[in-house]
Amino acid sequence: NAGVTQTPKFRILKIGQSMTLQCTQDMNHNYMYWYRQDPGMGLKLIYYSVGAGITDKGEVPNGYNVSRSTTEDFPLRLELAAPSQTSVYFCASSTGLKSNQPQHFGDGTRLSIL
Amino acid sequence: LAKTTQPISMDSYEGQEVNITCSHNNIATNDYITWYQQFPSQGPRFIIQGYKTKVTNEVASLFIPADRKSSTLSLPRVSLSDTAVYYCLVGYNTDKLIFGTGTRLQVFP
Repeated sequence: NAGVTQTPKFRILKIGQSMTLQCTQDMNHNYMYWYRQDPGMGLKLIYYSVGAGITDKGEVPNGYNVSRSTTEDFPLRLELAAPSQTSVYFCASSTGLKSNQPQHFGDGTRLSIL
Repeated sequence: LAKTTQPISMDSYEGQEVNITCSHNNIATNDYITWYQQFPSQGPRFIIQGYKTKVTNEVASLFIPADRKSSTLSLPRVSLSDTAVYYCLVGYNTDKLIFGTGTRLQVFP
């Protein structure tokens, strides 16, 4: 009964380093999302995917890349880490794109860029 | 410009009913309103969703007026464990789902 699993839970990066945040879901959901949540703020959509091989930009895509080679996995890539990318990152999945299909969230990755 | 607005924070005492509103202009004709609850260090968790009028489940009720430009999440008889941030999520015509700013609910003994 894993749902949406994110790794790592915490990470500290230096400016200019790169890393990949992993996300996997075992519910066979076609739709997956990446959000960032800055301290005391709401969630902002970075990228989303409607199925394997298909991705699209959200509100704040700059500085990030995604891929979706399988239904289960939706990794988020930071190529050149910047202090402005310090945030908590949440991955989610759902059966559909509209708001009437609830999203299932992972517990987040807390990322600090120093 | 599509925008979803909620009060930043609310305080309540145990046993009281809490009503949290969300304003959502330009909501799409076929879109639903969904509410999520988030505890510290956890991802948001689905609470309730609705399209119009009133929806009730074992956790909460959701009231949506006829014009659908706002919605109200109602939590009956809150307890300390209801202390959390509550988000409304509304879909817009661009298919880009926009979370509200979140309402931080603090329940006191």
